[in-house]
Amino acid sequence: DAKTTQPPSMDCAEGRAANLPCNHSTISGNEYVYWYRQIHSQGPQYIIHGLKNNETNEMASLIITEDRKSSTLILPHATLRDTAVYYCIVRSSGGGADGLTFGKGTHLIIQP
Amino acid sequence: GAVVSQHPSWVICKSGTSVKIECRSLDFQATTMFWYRQFPKQSLMLMATSNEGSKATYEQGVEKDKFLINHASLTLSTLTVTSAHPEDSSFYICSAAGGPTLDTQYFGPGTRLTVL
Repeated sequence: DAKTTQPPSMDCAEGRAANLPCNHSTISGNEYVYWYRQIHSQGPQYIIHGLKNNETNEMASLIITEDRKSSTLILPHATLRDTAVYYCIVRSSGGGADGLTFGKGTHLIIQP
Repeated sequence: GAVVSQHPSWVICKSGTSVKIECRSLDFQATTMFWYRQFPKQSLMLMATSNEGSKATYEQGVEKDKFLINHASLTLSTLTVTSAHPEDSSFYICSAAGGPTLDTQYFGPGTRLTVL
């Protein structure tokens, strides 16, 4: 699976959009971009994933660049409960049988 | 949908005893379940992968005789830490795949193990 690079930490004001970047320049054609987050002392929570088209669900939007070498997770109206470590993970389709490789992620802190 | 539970949420045990942790997929059948471990201020590390009715596949450096995994059904996997020692104290998290999006892993809330 391709390696990802994320900033170690970010701040965002409550109520504003939080934009979390992820670089995955070595991604290959059949690899998806997944986002999870981990609130302190809890298990990771699935947020969203995508292949090449932008995706949106009730939690967030995922914007993938046309060359697929980077992506941005957008939390449209951040709340204090969105403070967590966010992980961007790249893995191949059909990889349901494979474990996930977690990097250090981005520690997003929502400021009141 | 796609809810995974773990039991217990925390456990304290004496050195040398064994501890069993259960992982259940509550509203879907999990074709594959995974066990991770997370030490303080570190990221999750995959320990093993298990499929129902098959032997688990362990990651390099994980002792299979110490961390016994049983995946008896499509909704239940157990991790038994045998002869636990203080260095086994960690946050153990399971995940399950096979839910609404077949390849997506859904995680349990984790089990905090403290070995005295």
